[in-house]
Amino acid sequence: AQSVTQPDIHITVSEGASLELRCNYSYGATPYLFWYVQSPGQGLQLLLKYFSGDTLVQGIKGFEAEFKRSQSSFNLRKPSVHWSDAAEYFCAVGPESDMRFGAGTRLTVKP
Amino acid sequence: KAGVTQTPRYLIKTRGQQVTLSCSPISGHRSVSWYQQTPGQGLQFLFEYFSETQRNKGNFPGRFSGRQFSNSRSEMNVSTLELGDSALYLCASSILAGETQYFGPGTRLLVL
Repeated sequence: AQSVTQPDIHITVSEGASLELRCNYSYGATPYLFWYVQSPGQGLQLLLKYFSGDTLVQGIKGFEAEFKRSQSSFNLRKPSVHWSDAAEYFCAVGPESDMRFGAGTRLTVKP
Repeated sequence: KAGVTQTPRYLIKTRGQQVTLSCSPISGHRSVSWYQQTPGQGLQFLFEYFSETQRNKGNFPGRFSGRQFSNSRSEMNVSTLELGDSALYLCASSILAGETQYFGPGTRLLVL
């Protein structure tokens, strides 16, 4: 069965520092992998997705993620965090018609 | 182009009542999916509709139902509300089933 684990419930980083959010998945075949961001009171916005091909995926807002099959991971990274990045981040494994989401990682950005 | 809209945005009901939530997809999108988000269970898939047909259904009791109209608008209904149904209900639309989903802001339901 497909499932996603986000080991970090809450992460705090200083503005300008780099960020890495962890995601581990379990999936029977080649996974469809996604990262979404949710700001308070808002719906989810797709940051990036991986279906196949290049294992380093570029997304919006300066985010990128790397698919590592050997580690069953799809970690999200950003080289320099901005205060507006404070939000909750969800990793998900597809297909899109039946996505399974992780529990989310709440990101706090310190000035 | 307008995004996914959900009405109402907030709703308070009491146990035993029923509720209907509405979702209007992005113009031209024919697939609509529904999700429930709670602090305890996180984001869970409810069901997906495409061209007025339910394609997939998550692991929820029969009290949860939905439908899609010919204009792709979708409604979900929850009957005999329980306290545990309090949640943020998110709707997402895509051009076709299996394509990139765009989420609405959600309807926050509180059951007292």
